[in-house]
Formats: sequence, C-alpha cells, structure tokens
Amino acid sequence: KAGVTQTPRYLIKTRGQQVTLSCSPISGHRSVSWYQQTPGQGLQFLFEYFSETQRNKGNFPGRFSGRQFSNSRSEMNVSTLELGDSALYLCASSPETGKYRNEQYFGPGTRLTVT
Amino acid sequence: KQEVTQIPAALSVPEGENLVLNCSFTDSAIYNLQWFRQDPGKGLTSLLLIQSSQREQTSGRLNASLDKSSGRSTLYIAASQPGDSATYLCAVRTGGFKTIFGAGTRLFVKA
Repeated sequence: KAGVTQTPRYLIKTRGQQVTLSCSPISGHRSVSWYQQTPGQGLQFLFEYFSETQRNKGNFPGRFSGRQFSNSRSEMNVSTLELGDSALYLCASSPETGKYRNEQYFGPGTRLTVT
Repeated sequence: KQEVTQIPAALSVPEGENLVLNCSFTDSAIYNLQWFRQDPGKGLTSLLLIQSSQREQTSGRLNASLDKSSGRSTLYIAASQPGDSATYLCAVRTGGFKTIFGAGTRLFVKA
C-alpha cells in the first residue's frame, strides 16, 4: 500500500496570502488528522476529519480551516498568512476498524515558509 | 485539559545500552497511546500503538507499557544502536477525537 502523501512538499508564501495544502490518506483509511509542528510549540493538533465531517478542532484561529472529500482526501487552508504560520504541516491517516484502529500513519509533511 | 509530558528531554547513551523513555499524561480517560520516532526534517514513523484496554505492546527491541491509572507509559529500547538516534514522541488520543503530543525525547546513541 502506498503511504500518506502530501503536496506540495515545500512552499514559500508572503504574509497576507493564503495557502492550500493537500493530503491523500492510505487507501482504505477514512480518518485524516492535521498537525502543525514548530520548534517552539512542538506538534499541535489542528483538526480531524472522518467521512467528510470535522470531528474536532484544536486551539487555532479561524484562519485555519480544512475539509475532507468523499474519497477521504483532505485539504487544509490558511488564510491571511502570518510569519508565525511558518511550520511543518503534517497529515496523518488512520483506519477506524480492526486491530490497528486509530493507529496514525503520517505523511512527510509540507514545509511552509512565510516571508 | 489533557497534558502530555516526556522525560528526559534529551538522552545520550553508549551503543548497546538498554534505556527507558517516559511519558506521562494528566487525564486517564484516553482512547489509546502511540509512540513515534522522528528523524530530523522528516515525518513521524509509528513504533507502537497501545489501545486503552491493553497493558503493553512489543515490536522487536521495543516494548511499550501503559498504566492508565497512574497516567504513565514507558518505551523500553533494548541493546540500543546508533540507528536508534532520533526524537521519540508519545501521543495520547482522547475520547473526543483529539491527539495530544508530548514534546519528545531526543536520543543520541554513541558508537
């Protein structure tokens, strides 16, 4: 099985712009979670989606949003970018059933730099 | 509010040594706990998953235990190797579909 894929891998944006990141889960996985990783704050939960519904959201401003499509692929969007949004954005997918239910498998991440 | 703490923050050991990494959490009502390793600039690799009803899981030289009542998990690495050098992260999944990560333990195994 192919792993979790994220596109693009690297992105440079200017403050005030918006950005959309994409995540394709492992085939058969219907749950997708997003995380932000920075040296100062570590790994922080952004949101989790299952069957096109957001199940929970972390403590981030409304500029951060996401969605999930019927094929389980997910996108996250950050509007009005700030310098502090520079981070590694990680996506994880997990199965809902079976012995390994809710075991998260991570993609390589998208490195976002805001200038 | 669930908080996850990992001790120590960094560890340097000679090759061949057995070692224990610690993870503690404040709310025992967890769904599962997962250990990961992360190499510099890379994504996370899953090592072990412990469901809330389990006490431990083993994979090769790795053994992870879970004690929900005391809010603790340990990751035991036997016969450490230089290739084990990485940051080790524990993550707690809550019943509310949220995953909280610890800050990690940076491990360096000297050849």
